[in-house]
Amino acid sequence: TQLLEQSPQFLSIQEGENLTVYCNSSSVFSSLQWYRQEPGEGPVLLVTVVTGGEVKKLKRLTFQFGDARKDSSLHITAAQPGDTGLYLCAGPIDYNTGKLIFGQGTTLQVKP
Amino acid sequence: EAGVAQSPRYKIIEKRQSVAFWCNPISGHATLYWYQQILGQGPKLLIQFQNNGVVDDSQLPKDRFSAERLKGVDSTLKIQPAKLEDSAVYLCASSRWSRRISRSMYNEQFFGPGTRLTVL
Repeated sequence: TQLLEQSPQFLSIQEGENLTVYCNSSSVFSSLQWYRQEPGEGPVLLVTVVTGGEVKKLKRLTFQFGDARKDSSLHITAAQPGDTGLYLCAGPIDYNTGKLIFGQGTTLQVKP
Repeated sequence: EAGVAQSPRYKIIEKRQSVAFWCNPISGHATLYWYQQILGQGPKLLIQFQNNGVVDDSQLPKDRFSAERLKGVDSTLKIQPAKLEDSAVYLCASSRWSRRISRSMYNEQFFGPGTRLTVL
């Protein structure tokens, strides 16, 4: 069974700090996605990483896909209160149906 | 383009009552998903439709949950009778994903705001 485990589960930091959250699996994924879910809203796709070792940047967010395509990380530089939310990683587990499996998420709270 | 619409946004019911949720996906999206998200966890797929056909309902508790997408556009998810453990956010999502182009396309899913269900 393919699983995605995220760590830490909860992170509370001050505005301006840097942080990294992780998404790990014992299985190889062809791609991984990162979503952010703000309180009271649905998840919104941030990025899809598809090549082992790939690094993608989205303003202050840096996403990396592991060389073996079993893990990914999200690094936020100089976190802001607007970054608060639940960060979810997701990967495809069935190419016939397009089914995605989601990690349990990392809840980030950035205090002003 | 308009996003995924869901209603109601909040619902409080007592156990053993029934409840229905409605979803209108993004226009032109063939695939529609219903997820259950328990507080502090990632979404869990309940059922996936492609057009008006069911693609995956392996994790749908069929003794109490049902869903339909009759005309291949909007969809309803029903719970009857509800249990305490059904308290969760029910998310609807849609995507352009199609089985015909599966391996060449990343399945970007667009989510609605969800319905928060509380069962007392």
